[in-house]
Amino acid sequence: DTEVTQTPKHLVMGMTNKKSLKCEQHMGHRAMYWYKQKAKKPPELMFVYSYEKLSINESVPSRFSPECPNSSLLNLHLHALQPEDSALYLCASSGGRGGNTIYFGEGSWLTVV
Amino acid sequence: DAKTTQPNSMESNEEEPVHLPCNHSTISGTDYIHWYRQLPSQGPEYVIHGLTSNVNNRMASLAIAEDRKSSTLILHRATLRDAAVYYCILRPMNRDDKIIFGKGTRLHILP
Repeated sequence: DTEVTQTPKHLVMGMTNKKSLKCEQHMGHRAMYWYKQKAKKPPELMFVYSYEKLSINESVPSRFSPECPNSSLLNLHLHALQPEDSALYLCASSGGRGGNTIYFGEGSWLTVV
Repeated sequence: DAKTTQPNSMESNEEEPVHLPCNHSTISGTDYIHWYRQLPSQGPEYVIHGLTSNVNNRMASLAIAEDRKSSTLILHRATLRDAAVYYCILRPMNRDDKIIFGKGTRLHILP
């Protein structure tokens, strides 16, 4: 199984809502990532988890809160988002550094209204 | 973090080879060169990666310059399904990495 599964595929939320995006992989990968991608732009790194601990936070606003409950799961909790946060959110995982392949999910399309 | 530079867009005819260049003049000796592509409305997918030697797989070939400051992704026979944005990325060997995407090359395939 070389899949990274993201749910939901589409999410519409109001600016006062609290919602979560979920990501799951069963490849035993130690590193998991969240990216944000706006239309016609490359993915932008948000967070990196290594061995279930947050290792990189790219100065992401606190209205985005990542969580790694175990080695297979990664969540992104969303609260008080703004319309400009509407984007494709991508999860990825990798078995290690350098020479290991990075596997991406299909993404969650988020619309903030 | 080492950066990569790629042409914004390229065009190729179907069933012809495509050479996609990437410059990474600040690459360090322990950075791997990875290529990913992103089809419309999908997440990026792995294409190929290498360190120093040229690499081949079922999807493509990767040619790495001797000084490693540039590389070329080669699609041997382009199909319409190869139309995508192609990203060249550097991954450090020995530390947790910020996998940073450059702007990529949008490849158009003409039937």
